[in-house]
Amino acid sequence: RKEVEQDPGPFNVPEGATVAFNCTYSNSASQSFFWYRQDCRKEPKLLMSVYSSGNEDGRFTAQLNRASQYISLLIRDSKLSDSATYLCVVTTLRGSYIPTFGRGTSLIVHP
Amino acid sequence: DTGVSQNPRHKITKRGQNVTFRCDPISEHNRLYWYRQTLGQGPEFLTYFQNEAQLEKSRLLSDRFSAERPKGSFSTLEIQRTEQGDSAMYLCASSSPGLADTDTQYFGPGTRLTVL
Repeated sequence: RKEVEQDPGPFNVPEGATVAFNCTYSNSASQSFFWYRQDCRKEPKLLMSVYSSGNEDGRFTAQLNRASQYISLLIRDSKLSDSATYLCVVTTLRGSYIPTFGRGTSLIVHP
Repeated sequence: DTGVSQNPRHKITKRGQNVTFRCDPISEHNRLYWYRQTLGQGPEFLTYFQNEAQLEKSRLLSDRFSAERPKGSFSTLEIQRTEQGDSAMYLCASSSPGLADTDTQYFGPGTRLTVL
């Protein structure tokens, strides 16, 4: 089983739709959780950190479920500019904190 | 521009040659990471520095790979005797975690390596 798993998609949604991605992780000792966004042929950029209490930033909501070992990202009112790959990152303490990326979920928002 | 920079942006080399990439992190960041990314995959962790100390190395990092960060500022990643399987995007990231150690990483634009 991979340490961090994501459905690669693509998720094809119309503008204005609500879309949700899940990411599961296998190491219960994982400490920190993030969502990054990566546009085609660009570097990843932090979208948001994920906290146990859940957090919201505008149209984006991230949640962590430690019991079931998954994190989620909800995007409301999708825009064309939201089209990208969304990478889940889980950081686990192994001597030092080592980040593990999922393979990413591709989102395509169409008019 | 005070972000993470990487040079060169593209490198084409023949199998068996050595290549070296450079990463200049954000100046006040003490952590520096190297990753490798291939098409359709997320970045794979290669190695990590805290200041000049190399604290972790992935088992993906074979003996042909070596990384340095001699003065705790810029870093180099060298690949010796390149193989076609080394073709990938090599990403560098830096961070400066606070007390909460949330460790937000800022990525450079990457160096795309093609081994012929």
